[in-house]
Amino acid sequence: QKEVEQDPGPLSVPEGAIVSLNCTYSNSAFQYFMWYRQYSRKGPELLMYTYSSGNKEDGRFTAQVDKSSKYISLFIRDSQPSDSATYLCAMSWAGTYKYIFGTGTRLKVLA
Amino acid sequence: ETGVTQSPTHLIKTRGQQVTLRCSSQSGHNTVSWYQQALGQGPQFIFQYYREEENGRGNFPPRFSGLQFPNYSSELNVNALELDDSALYLCASRSHRDKTYEQYFGPGTRLTVT
Repeated sequence: QKEVEQDPGPLSVPEGAIVSLNCTYSNSAFQYFMWYRQYSRKGPELLMYTYSSGNKEDGRFTAQVDKSSKYISLFIRDSQPSDSATYLCAMSWAGTYKYIFGTGTRLKVLA
Repeated sequence: ETGVTQSPTHLIKTRGQQVTLRCSSQSGHNTVSWYQQALGQGPQFIFQYYREEENGRGNFPPRFSGLQFPNYSSELNVNALELDDSALYLCASRSHRDKTYEQYFGPGTRLTVT
């Protein structure tokens, strides 16, 4: 079993839809949770960073962490074609700066 | 743009050769990590450098080695290249003084081994 599981997609939605992206994990030591967006042949871009459980909102993006279920989510409201990319979740724990990444979910927002 | 730069953008090498990839970290960032991202996969942690020393390593063989320089720039060296080394190599920088674990990635170097 991988430490971090993420559905690879692809996930296709119409423009304006609410998108839900998810990751599950098995390591209860994870405390830091990140979402990155990666366009084709580019480096990952940090979207959201969350420490421990709870919600965090930034513009059209909301990140949720449920440590009791070992489950994290990223919601994108009013999705745009420019949101079409691969979304990577990443996790880390205290005392290390090593990130464990999911495989990424490919998202396509159709105009 | 994160301010993390990498060179070259892409290169092609032959199996058995050696390669050096370079990374310039974001201003004020003194910690650099390297990741390997195979096609269709998430990045895999190779190692991290802080104060010019390796202070964390993933499951990569010793033929993957690195350096960090006093200006915090870094190199990744790979010896005896294998076909499976073909991937996007990413460096990420952060400030050790930050209380957060946020890391910022460069655009990557795409390595093809034939």
